[in-house]
Amino acid sequence: QQPVQSPQAVILREGEDAVINCSSSKALYSVHWYRQKHGEAPVFLMILLKGGEQKGHEKISASFNEKKQQSSLYLTASQLSYSGTYFCGTANNNNDMRFGAGTRLTVKP
Amino acid sequence: DTGVSQNPRHKITKRGQNVTFRCDPISEHNRLYWYRQTLGQGPEFLTYFQNEAQLEKSRLLSDRFSAERPKGSFSTLEIQRTEQGDSAMYLCASSRRDNNYGYTFGSGTRLTVV
Repeated sequence: QQPVQSPQAVILREGEDAVINCSSSKALYSVHWYRQKHGEAPVFLMILLKGGEQKGHEKISASFNEKKQQSSLYLTASQLSYSGTYFCGTANNNNDMRFGAGTRLTVKP
Repeated sequence: DTGVSQNPRHKITKRGQNVTFRCDPISEHNRLYWYRQTLGQGPEFLTYFQNEAQLEKSRLLSDRFSAERPKGSFSTLEIQRTEQGDSAMYLCASSRRDNNYGYTFGSGTRLTVV
C-alpha cells in the first residue's frame, strides 16, 4: 500500500528549512528517501531501519517513528541544489518498496 | 561499474503493438525491480526479481505485461497489445539483497503509445 506524503509541494527561499512527512497504514521495516530532479532518475538519499537511529548527513536528516509508522525528512539551510521532488519509499520485511506520490520542493534565491 | 542501464531511452509505438525494454542492473546486485512512473506521481511498483526468480508481481499489472530475468543478470519487460494508458516512464532499479543501501535506478525508458 502506497505511503502518504505531505505536503504535496513547498517553496522555500535559500537558507530556509523544510520538513517532509511520510506515513503508512502498515507496519514498516524500513523507510527510504529519494530525490528526483526533473527528467532524471530518483537518487537514493538515506534509509532508516526499524530499530535504527535517526540518520543524516550535512543538512539533510530523517527520523523514523516505528509506532506511528511515520518518517520525516528534515532539510535545513536549504540550497538551490535541494530543489526536486522527494519521495519516501516504505517496505515491510525489507522486501519490495512502495513509493509515495512525492513532495515537490522548490528553493528560490 | 556504470550503474543501472536501460534501453531504449525512448520508445514511440502504435496502439496494439508489442514493446520490449531491457534493464542491465549493477552486477553485484541480485535484486531487480520494475516501476512505472507517470507525470507528477511516484514510481508505481510492477514486479521484482531476486536473482532469476520473480518474487512478486503487482495485482495492478494486467496479463499484457510480462517480465523475465533469465540468468539472474539483465531483465526484460514486455508489454503486449499496448494501449494509450501504458504511456509512462518505465524505471528499473537494482539493489543488494539486504536492501540497506537503497535502490539504484536507471534513467528509464519513456514509452509513448500513439
